[in-house]
Amino acid sequence: GAVVSQHPSWVICKSGTSVKIECRSLDFQATTMFWYRQFPKQSLMLMATSNEGSKATYEQGVEKDKFLINHASLTLSTLTVTSAHPEDSSFYICSARPWGREGDEQYFGPGTRLTVT
Amino acid sequence: DAKTTQPTSMDCAEGRAANLPCNHSTISGNEYVYWYRQIHSQGPQYIIHGLKNNETNEMASLIITEDRKSSTLILPHATLRDTAVYYCIVRVVDYGQNFVFGPGTRLSVLP
Repeated sequence: GAVVSQHPSWVICKSGTSVKIECRSLDFQATTMFWYRQFPKQSLMLMATSNEGSKATYEQGVEKDKFLINHASLTLSTLTVTSAHPEDSSFYICSARPWGREGDEQYFGPGTRLTVT
Repeated sequence: DAKTTQPTSMDCAEGRAANLPCNHSTISGNEYVYWYRQIHSQGPQYIIHGLKNNETNEMASLIITEDRKSSTLILPHATLRDTAVYYCIVRVVDYGQNFVFGPGTRLSVLP
């Protein structure tokens, strides 16, 4: 089946620094990818929809200047957490759907655990 | 907001069938029912989806009531590795549509 990878799988950074998380669709093309955030014991919350070649669409309450999304190719989207703070510590998950297969399932990456100290 | 209601948690004995219910009383005619699960500290894993007919694959069976207002995911022979949070999601089949996750059901398979 289709595979979505994320890198890194976990990262620890100091408060005030920026962290980039990559999401790749390994064996299919995706013009749209989604970024979710999950706090402990909570469900996944959609942060933004990443569109290849255009600006991302952010959900209400998500700061677009803090969470920079770039979808530069049909297989890669990146999420950069700028000026990270301890409250940004969370599990970040991306997902993608193969282009042309609207009825198919969405494939999720394994997640990236961010810890800000 | 999620359009589904699921029990918060369930237990199941290893080797027995696990039946996970989901209510989606406001489902529209063009919305599919999807099931995903999330094992601790991993990304969600697709299980199965359907529109109105019952579906079966190597992982599970999906039973959708005739009025489509509820469904049941069946894991025929639960193992310890099936312990996870199971999410029932309704979604319109549209490329740009994302999945909205509710709190899901925490299934514990007991030895």
